[in-house]
Amino acid sequence: GDSVTQMEGPVTLSEEAFLTINCTYTATGYPSLFWYVQYPGEGLQLLLKATKADDKGSNKGFEATYRKETTSFHLEKGSVQVSDSAVYFCALSANTGGFKTIFGAGTRLFVKA
Amino acid sequence: GAVVSQHPSWVICKSGTSVKIECRSLDFQATTMFWYRQFPKQSLMLMATSNEGSKATYEQGVEKDKFLINHASLTLSTLTVTSAHPEDSSFYICSATGTGGSYEQYFGPGTRLTVT
Repeated sequence: GDSVTQMEGPVTLSEEAFLTINCTYTATGYPSLFWYVQYPGEGLQLLLKATKADDKGSNKGFEATYRKETTSFHLEKGSVQVSDSAVYFCALSANTGGFKTIFGAGTRLFVKA
Repeated sequence: GAVVSQHPSWVICKSGTSVKIECRSLDFQATTMFWYRQFPKQSLMLMATSNEGSKATYEQGVEKDKFLINHASLTLSTLTVTSAHPEDSSFYICSATGTGGSYEQYFGPGTRLTVT
C-alpha cells in the first residue's frame, strides 16, 4: 500500500541555519504530495503542496519539489527562525485510496536562538 | 476560505460516559470528512472516513460501536466516543475535502479528550 517515510527527529538547529527534512514515498498512481506543520497544542496546517512531478511547492520560505524519479519531496528552508519550531508531516493523497491522506511519522524541529 | 472548526476544543469526562465531538466545514460543502486520532508525539492515525448520507468506513482495528460517526449534512460530521475509558484520552482531529475533486484536506484545530 501507499506509504510515506520521513527522517526521524528531533532536529535541532540554530537560528538562521539551513533546514532539510527528507521525505520519500511509495504510491501506486500519481499522488499529490503535501507538507503539514503542527505547532504545539494545535491542529495541522497545510504548509505547501505539489500535485504533479517537477512541481515546486513553496510558502513562508519553505520549499519542496516533487521528484518522481526519486519518489521524494524533501522540505527545505534557507534560514530557520525560532518560530519555525514545530512538528512537520509529509503526506500524500491519491484517488486510489478514496482521497485518504497517508502521513509520515512527523519530524520535530527545535530552533534555538 | 476552506475553514474547518471543531467543538469542543477540549473536554474532560468521567469514565463510562459518552462524549460527542462536532466537525463543521464553515465555508464549503464537505463531501468527505475524515477522523484522526493522534497520540502524544506521534503521527495521525486515520480512524474512519465518512461521506454525507452514508455509513462511515472504519479503518482496521477501530471499533465502530465505540466510535460512532455521523455525517448528516454536507457541513457537519460528529464523532461520539461511547462509554469512554482513560485509554480513549487523545487528540482527535477531523478533516474535510470539498466538492471540487481536489486531494487537499482541510483540518480542524483538534479536540483534546481527557477521560478520568
